[in-house]
Amino acid sequence: EVQLVESGGGLVQPGGSLRLSCAASGFTFNNYWMSWVRQAPGKGLEWVANIKQDGSEKYYVDSVKGRFTISRDNAKNSLYLRMNSLRAEDTAVYYCARSGSYFPDYFDYWGQGTLATVSS
Amino acid sequence: QSVLTQPPSVSAAPGQKVTISCSGSSSNIGNNYVSWYQQLPGTAPKLLIYENNKRPSGIPDRFSGSKSGTSATLGITGLQTGDEADYYCGTWDSSLSAVVFGGGTKLPVL
Repeated sequence: EVQLVESGGGLVQPGGSLRLSCAASGFTFNNYWMSWVRQAPGKGLEWVANIKQDGSEKYYVDSVKGRFTISRDNAKNSLYLRMNSLRAEDTAVYYCARSGSYFPDYFDYWGQGTLATVSS
Repeated sequence: QSVLTQPPSVSAAPGQKVTISCSGSSSNIGNNYVSWYQQLPGTAPKLLIYENNKRPSGIPDRFSGSKSGTSATLGITGLQTGDEADYYCGTWDSSLSAVVFGGGTKLPVL
C-alpha cells in the first residue's frame, strides 16, 4: 500500500523558516517524480514544486522561487521542502504527492498534509 | 486568478448527470494531458482521471474525462450524495514550466 506521511509543519513568524518532510513507503520511491502541493485555508490547490527521480531537475511555482528548495533522499525514501523567508501568504496545508514516472503532470497518491502557519 | 478556469459551482440531484468544464490555452490544456481530482470535505485530494480520460484502479466508470482543443470536461453520472466534494482540473503548462490547477468547482448533491 502506497503511503505518504508529511511532518514538520507548525507556527512560524514571518521571515522564519520551516523544513517539511515526507516519508514514502509501499512503492519504489526512486522510480517517480515527487511533488509538493499546498492549499491555503478555504482556497484551492496550488502546485509548489517537483523533483525528478534522481534530483537532476526541479521546478517551482514563481511565488516561491528563491525561497523554497525541494530535495529528496532516495536512500531514506524521503522528500523534503525547505521553506525560507516565509510570508503570511505561505500559510497552507502542504501535501506531498507522487507524480508520474515519465512526466510530473498528475498526482496519483497524496499524503494527509501538514499545516504551516506563518503569523506573528 | 487561476490559469485554468472552472465554474465555481454546479449542482444536480441524486441519480442525475453533471459535467464540470475546465478551460485553458494552447500552452497548457491544448498540448498537455489533463487530470481531475476530487476533494471530499476535510480530506486530501484524490485522483479521478489522468491523461485526459483514464481512470485509476478503483475509480468507478461513473466518472469520465474528455478533452477538446483547449478545454476539458469531467462527467459524473448516477450522482450520489457521497459525490459532494470540490473538483479540480490540472495540467502542465509548457510556457510556465509548472503544474497548474483550476480554481475548483463545488458540487452539492441536492
